[in-house]
Amino acid sequence: EAGVAQSPRYKIIEKRQSVAFWCNPISGHATLYWYQQILGQGPKLLIQFQNNGVVDDSQLPKDRFSAERLKGVDSTLKIQPAKLEDSAVYLCASSLAPTFFTADNEQFFGPGTRLTVL
Amino acid sequence: GQNIDQPTEMTATEGAIVQINCTYQTSGFNGLFWYQQHAGEAPTFLSYNVLDGLEEKGRFSSFLSRSKGYSYLLLKELQMKDSASYLCAVRENNNAGNMLTFGGGTRLMVKP
Repeated sequence: EAGVAQSPRYKIIEKRQSVAFWCNPISGHATLYWYQQILGQGPKLLIQFQNNGVVDDSQLPKDRFSAERLKGVDSTLKIQPAKLEDSAVYLCASSLAPTFFTADNEQFFGPGTRLTVL
Repeated sequence: GQNIDQPTEMTATEGAIVQINCTYQTSGFNGLFWYQQHAGEAPTFLSYNVLDGLEEKGRFSSFLSRSKGYSYLLLKELQMKDSASYLCAVRENNNAGNMLTFGGGTRLMVKP
């Protein structure tokens, strides 16, 4: 079974530039997540999709970050304009649709995109 | 909201046993996960607890006490490849369903 795919793996930009990241989840996984992981910290959820709808985006800085999952499969995360503090690894994860009968329903993570803002 | 605490760093010797603790505060607990993350790689799932008690999986075990808001991950017969960060994550019962909140991670260094 193929895992979660992300691209690019690395990106270096200057502050105030724009950048976009792409994620392809595991086939059949209805739920997709974007996390930001700053060096030395745990992942922080930015946005969660269920199919093509947003379930939670309470921690997404909406003045500069946007995300979409138009057809309920692939997703893109955009930062416009980038700031120095956006330097981090952006992780995409996917899982089966959550139900109250699902025990663990673990999230599977992609390799991440390491963003450096200069 | 949630508050998840775990030690920042631990060091242990190859072949030994190490226990990584995690404490949490949440309004609607619905499961606790442990993930392993090697430097520069994605987190990978290790264990899941939703009921009190011990879950054993080979060299790794995870314990949960819901009344105390406490979990630990136990690693036995440590190997050099166990050097990694260990992330505690709590799932909260809310409209978001499967949303996890992660702790800061514990970086474990295994020495020969």
